[in-house]
Amino acid sequence: DTAVSQTPKYLVTQMGNDKSIKCEQNLGHDTMYWYKQDSKKFLKIMFSYNNKELIINETVPNRFSPKSPDKAHLNLHINSLELGDSAVYFCASSQNNGLSYNEQFFGPGTRLTVL
Amino acid sequence: RKEVEQDPGPFNVPEGATVAFNCTYSNSASQSFFWYRQDCRKEPKLLMSVYSSGNEDGRFTAQLNRASQYISLLIRDSKLSDSATYLCVPGPSSNTGKLIFGQGTTLQVKP
Repeated sequence: DTAVSQTPKYLVTQMGNDKSIKCEQNLGHDTMYWYKQDSKKFLKIMFSYNNKELIINETVPNRFSPKSPDKAHLNLHINSLELGDSAVYFCASSQNNGLSYNEQFFGPGTRLTVL
Repeated sequence: RKEVEQDPGPFNVPEGATVAFNCTYSNSASQSFFWYRQDCRKEPKLLMSVYSSGNEDGRFTAQLNRASQYISLLIRDSKLSDSATYLCVPGPSSNTGKLIFGQGTTLQVKP
């Protein structure tokens, strides 16, 4: 009965590789997010999709490409991985009730280490 | 002023103590506010939502001062299990749902 799930939980890879992280939510929410939390613990928004439409696209390298096949899934593909990409990536979801966005629910995170 | 500012701490308190964290925010258009709790190496989890002047849930009380643009979190009768990082999050002011998370305040409750 996991609400927001991510796979894999840990990802260790070499520089230059391409990798994907998957996220699924079973809360029926219409909005999903990707966050990056670096070693200094700041949690920063990267992307957001509402009903499969990209609505937030922060200043991130274009090596990062989100894909939302349906409103319950939001995947993150990263090309040509760099050392600085090492971080914990959190997926989250929320429901937009038309007036405001409700609180966000987070997945367990994917700890990415680039060697 | 930074978008969200918190004292990172750590706040070291004995069990049973009362501790308060403050958070200042710059976006006066935020209508809702959240306190999230994040345990070490875990995901953030919602602790409290604040939509008016404040909210109380058991040992936790959040108060909002819109004029001064700060929000506080008070924890009474601290437990060892309260040890965590507390993230202040003003609600989105646009229709994108974008949240700006504070750096967090770390609380360590000692026996």
